[in-house]
Amino acid sequence: GNSVTQMEGPVTLSEEAFLTINCTYTATGYPSLFWYVQYPGEGLQLLLKATKADDKGSNKGFEATYRKETTSFHLEKGSVQVSDSAVYFCALSSVTGNQFYFGTGTSLTVIP
Amino acid sequence: GAGVSQSPRYKVAKRGQDVALRCDPISGHVSLFWYQQALGQGPEFLTYFQNEAQLDKSGLPSDRFFAERPEGSVSTLKIQRTQQEDSAVYLCASSLEVASSSQYFGPGTRLTVL
Repeated sequence: GNSVTQMEGPVTLSEEAFLTINCTYTATGYPSLFWYVQYPGEGLQLLLKATKADDKGSNKGFEATYRKETTSFHLEKGSVQVSDSAVYFCALSSVTGNQFYFGTGTSLTVIP
Repeated sequence: GAGVSQSPRYKVAKRGQDVALRCDPISGHVSLFWYQQALGQGPEFLTYFQNEAQLDKSGLPSDRFFAERPEGSVSTLKIQRTQQEDSAVYLCASSLEVASSSQYFGPGTRLTVL
């Protein structure tokens, strides 16, 4: 079946530190992969996505590369800011697009 | 409005009551998803509509849960005879197309069953 496993939090970093949030997946076929972000008091927002192997999604300084060989889609950012404090969810869509599977979320707190 | 809206934002129900949760997707969006999100967890898929057709309802936890989208726009998630374990945030999301499309989420309805 399809599933997503992501790094457990919470994660606390100092401003300008390097961020990695690990995400691995199990899927039938070739799913699309996503990172969603939920800022405090707000709804889920799409951060970035990749639809095929070796694609790199990027947005707001965040990047993630679809690695089929390691079934991973790790989220990275070179220099985090306080405003990046949020909960980050890794997700995949089934090949048909009928179902989405989310990880449990990783809470990030960036301190000045 | 420009985004997905859900109502009510908060609902308190006594155990055994029926509830109806509404979702207004972004106009023109073909796909609509319902999710259940327990505290501290990621969203769990419940059901999927493509226009008015419910193509997947494999995530509905029991036959007390029912969803419809009769005209291919607004959707309602109904929970009959609510139980305490139904307490969660119910999220609706829509996307413009099918398969691999990015979803736009509503703010959710927080359901508390006493």
